[in-house]
Amino acid sequence: DAKTTQPTSMDCAEGRAANLPCNHSTISGNEYVYWYRQIHSQGPQYIIHGLKNNETNEMASLIITEDRKSSTLILPHATLRDTAVYYCIVRRNTGNQFYFGTGTSLTVIP
Amino acid sequence: DTGVSQDPRHKITKRGQNVTFRCDPISEHNRLYWYRQTLGQGPEFLTYFQNEAQLEKSRLLSDRFSAERPKGSFSTLEIQRTEQGDSAMYLCASSPWGEGKNTEAFFGQGTRLTVV
Repeated sequence: DAKTTQPTSMDCAEGRAANLPCNHSTISGNEYVYWYRQIHSQGPQYIIHGLKNNETNEMASLIITEDRKSSTLILPHATLRDTAVYYCIVRRNTGNQFYFGTGTSLTVIP
Repeated sequence: DTGVSQDPRHKITKRGQNVTFRCDPISEHNRLYWYRQTLGQGPEFLTYFQNEAQLEKSRLLSDRFSAERPKGSFSTLEIQRTEQGDSAMYLCASSPWGEGKNTEAFFGQGTRLTVV
């Protein structure tokens, strides 16, 4: 499974959009981009995933570039409860484990 | 709540003791994963099951660790002769699996092990 690169940390003002980038330049054609987040002392929580089209659900939007070498997770109106570590993972749909890196620590500031 | 359930949530044990953790996956999920997470790091894969078959084990899973999923439902992770380095959060996840299915994994709240 391809490797991902994310910034170590980011801040975002409460109520503003949080845009979390992820680079996955070695992604293969059959690999999906998954996003998870982990709030302190809890298990990781699934957010969204996509292959090449942009995706939106009740939690977030996922924008994948046309060449699929990078993506952005967008939290449209960040709240204090969105403070967490966000993990970008690339994996085949029928792949085995999910490889977590160290993720991006997002802090939402009042 | 029909999410992934782990028991216990916290365990403190003395070095050298054996411990066993239990995971109850989402009922219709045939894949079950175990991960370990230490402070400041992302979760690290330990092993996974497809129904009752253990299909892959990480090199992190030393011979003191054993996992079972006897009837393809709940799973147990046992650590024998615990060491201080085993102190970590142990996470369980489950997912559907198969072509055409969404295979995102859903995680439990974890079992935090402290070896003193």
